[in-house]
Amino acid sequence: KQEVTQIPAALSVPEGENLVLNCSFTDSAIYNLQWFRQDPGKGLTSLLLIQSSQREQTSGRLNASLDKSSGRSTLYIAASQPGDSATYLCAVIGGGSNYKLTFGKGTLLTVNP
Amino acid sequence: DAGVTQSPTHLIKTRGQQVTLRCSPKSGHDTVSWYQQALGQGPQFIFQYYEEEERQRGNFPDRFSGHQFPNYSSELNVNALLLGDSALYLCASSTQDAYGYTFGSGTRLTVV
Repeated sequence: KQEVTQIPAALSVPEGENLVLNCSFTDSAIYNLQWFRQDPGKGLTSLLLIQSSQREQTSGRLNASLDKSSGRSTLYIAASQPGDSATYLCAVIGGGSNYKLTFGKGTLLTVNP
Repeated sequence: DAGVTQSPTHLIKTRGQQVTLRCSPKSGHDTVSWYQQALGQGPQFIFQYYEEEERQRGNFPDRFSGHQFPNYSSELNVNALLLGDSALYLCASSTQDAYGYTFGSGTRLTVV
């Protein structure tokens, strides 16, 4: 059974800091990995998707890496802004006939002005 | 280009009642999944529909059922509501190869 863990559970940083969010998964046989952002009480916004054959993806100030063999992914946020405050969720898709996303509990990020 | 649309946004029901939630997928997507998210938790997979059939199901009781229509839209039905069914229900759409998912804004269900 796939399990996804996100560390830390919460993070508070001053504006302008670079930060790293961590995600680990127990079964390395994944199809791809997706990072999402969730604002309080809202739906999920996709940030980055990394296919199992890729090592990293970048979008603006965000960079996500994937080390499938060790079951780890990191989301790097450069020059953080107060508008980045949200919960960040990591999810993996198993592949084969397993189409579901398995999520971690998320990291609650607060960026202070 | 419209993304995933869910209705209603909020709903209050009494224990024992039945509820239907609706979802229209993103244009170009033919697969719809439903997730339940309790407060402070990650979303939990309920089931996925493709070609109007349930393709995969998570660990949820039979009180949770669904349907997909020929236009790819979907409904989630929950019977005999329990207080523990109170949660944010999220719909996600994708192409059939599950390459990546797009989520809707969710329906907040409160059971009293």
